[in-house]
This record gives sequence, structure tokens and C-alpha cells, in this order.
Amino acid sequence: EAEVAQSPRYKITEKSQAVAFWCDPISGHATLYWYRQILGQGPELLVQFQDESVVDDSQLPKDRFSAERLKGVDSTLKIQPAELGDSAMYLCASSLGPTGELFFGEGSRLTVL
Amino acid sequence: AQSVTQLDSHVSVSEGTPVLLRCNYSSSYSPSLFWYVQHPNKGLQLLLKYTSAATLVKGINGFEAEFKKSETSFHLTKPSAHMSDAAEYFCVVSAPGTASKLTFGTGTRLQVTL
Repeated sequence: EAEVAQSPRYKITEKSQAVAFWCDPISGHATLYWYRQILGQGPELLVQFQDESVVDDSQLPKDRFSAERLKGVDSTLKIQPAELGDSAMYLCASSLGPTGELFFGEGSRLTVL
Repeated sequence: AQSVTQLDSHVSVSEGTPVLLRCNYSSSYSPSLFWYVQHPNKGLQLLLKYTSAATLVKGINGFEAEFKKSETSFHLTKPSAHMSDAAEYFCVVSAPGTASKLTFGTGTRLQVTL
């Protein structure tokens, strides 16, 4: 069964350092999402891509977060510099199209010390 | 605007007894509603979805949910809990006709004891 792949699964970093997460969606899925899930809360959308274009990044803290999907396939989410409050699970999801069912990866857990 | 409220942050049941996880929604239109499950250190898995067809929705692993417009509720039930059901459950709302633009509740942790 096709899955959304994410790496790394776990990342520990010190504040002010740079960190990057990678996501490979299910093959053929044009829409890709990055969510942030703070411990004890539900996931919140950070950014949505349709192919290589950003369609929603209204909740992305653009002073320190960036996301790209250069060839419309895999995607990278970067944080520079990391802050203590960025400690969370970063979930990637993909869907066939913008109205389709989301399939989630296992997430990347970030701890900022 | 749309939102969901999960009425219990933690529910504990004995194995073999019924499960009830409560969710109320708020939406200015007829929403699409979902339940997702998240096992520890795992991604989210779709349990079931309501998209304005039948009000009683059956999902995977014996779970079902009933959409009640008059009560603005979408409670999740299962007749008999299994140890493997222990997980975090999220009630989710989206705009009608789409499974994206999801707004998650804060989650209910289900504990299943022997």
C-alpha cells in the first residue's frame, strides 16, 4: 500500500539552529500539506501545495519557516532559526486533488532545546 | 467559520464494553465531518467520513458515527472496545464537498483496560 514518507522521524536541535524536514507524497498526488501538531492539540495547517504552487500559507510563520515543492513531487519544510515553541510533530499529508481525502505520513517529531 | 468541540479529553473503558467519543460541531453551512485516529508516534488514519449522504456512517474497525443536525453532533461509537483501540481520536470538520481544509478538534485519548 502506498504511503506518505517523511524524514527524519525524530530531530533534536538547539534553539537558533536550522532544521529541515522532508516529505515524499503518494505517487500521483498533486496536493501536499504540512501540518504542525503541538503536544495535546489537534494538527493545524501550515501550508498547502497544488503541484509546485503554494495555495495556502496563511498560517505559516514566514519569518522563520519556509516550504518548497520545486518539482511538484517531494517537499521540504525548513525552520531557521528554531525556537523552543517550535517543538511539535510536523505531519505531511497528500491527496489526489484539493478536495480529496488526505493521507498522512507518520510525522517528524521536533524537540528544540 | 467552522469548528469542532470534543467534549472529553480522556475516556477510559474496559475491554469489551461500548465506546462513546463525543463531538459537537459549528458551521455556517452543511459541513463534511470526519473522525481520524492516531496511534502513538504514528500518523493520522481516517476512520470514517460524513458528506451529506446517510446520517449513520460506518467506518473501519467496527466504528460508526451518527450525524445529528438538530444537535450539531457527530459522536463516534463502537459496540465493543478492543485493546488495540487505545489511541487519540480527532473529530474534524471541513467545508462541504471537500476533504481538505480540515479543522481538527483537540482530541480525545481513549484508554482501554483489561
